[in-house]
Amino acid sequence: AQKITQTQPGMFVQEKEAVTLDCTYDTSDPSYGLFWYKQPSSGEMIFLIYQGSYDQQNATEGRYSLNFQKARKSANLVISASQLGDSAMYFCAVAGDMRFGAGTRLTVKP
Amino acid sequence: EAGVAQSPRYKIIEKRQSVAFWCNPISGHATLYWYQQILGQGPKLLIQFQNNGVVDDSQLPKDRFSAERLKGVDSTLKIQPAKLEDSAVYLCASSLIRYRGPSYEQYFGPGTRLTVT
Repeated sequence: AQKITQTQPGMFVQEKEAVTLDCTYDTSDPSYGLFWYKQPSSGEMIFLIYQGSYDQQNATEGRYSLNFQKARKSANLVISASQLGDSAMYFCAVAGDMRFGAGTRLTVKP
Repeated sequence: EAGVAQSPRYKIIEKRQSVAFWCNPISGHATLYWYQQILGQGPKLLIQFQNNGVVDDSQLPKDRFSAERLKGVDSTLKIQPAKLEDSAVYLCASSLIRYRGPSYEQYFGPGTRLTVT
């Protein structure tokens, strides 16, 4: 079975600074996808970004980018220019059986 | 475009009682997922439907949990009998297609918060 590891239970970042949230995974599938979701305190899950394992370039979506290192099985989320509204839980997940990591709670300080 | 609808939003029951949750996915979405999210943890996939067929139910506790999607549209998840450890948020999500290859993100509903006392 796939395993997702998010080693940072909590992270703090100053408003307008960049922050990196770590995610490592273990999968035997030759082709797979990686997702990041945001879950604010209201509880809804919001899709942020997707990376395919055979994509040549790292995915970007506005202020979100994915630092994908396939050989290391790492898919870290980078949030640039943090905003107060970015404070939330962030989950990494591997497509297929959709296994999620335990999440990282990000707090943006003014 | 209407989002994924779930009801009820909150439910409190006593252990050994039964409960059912309902989900209506986004129109046209073939794939439907049920997740259990225990407080402080990431969502755990319980069951995945493609149209009205089950694709993956390997993590569904089948002795007490059941789910159906009879007409390939809306779905119900049932727990009978409930245990204290079933207290969680139950999330429903839908996507255009099952995740293999291209990116088809899941759209999540607001969830049902279940408390078992």
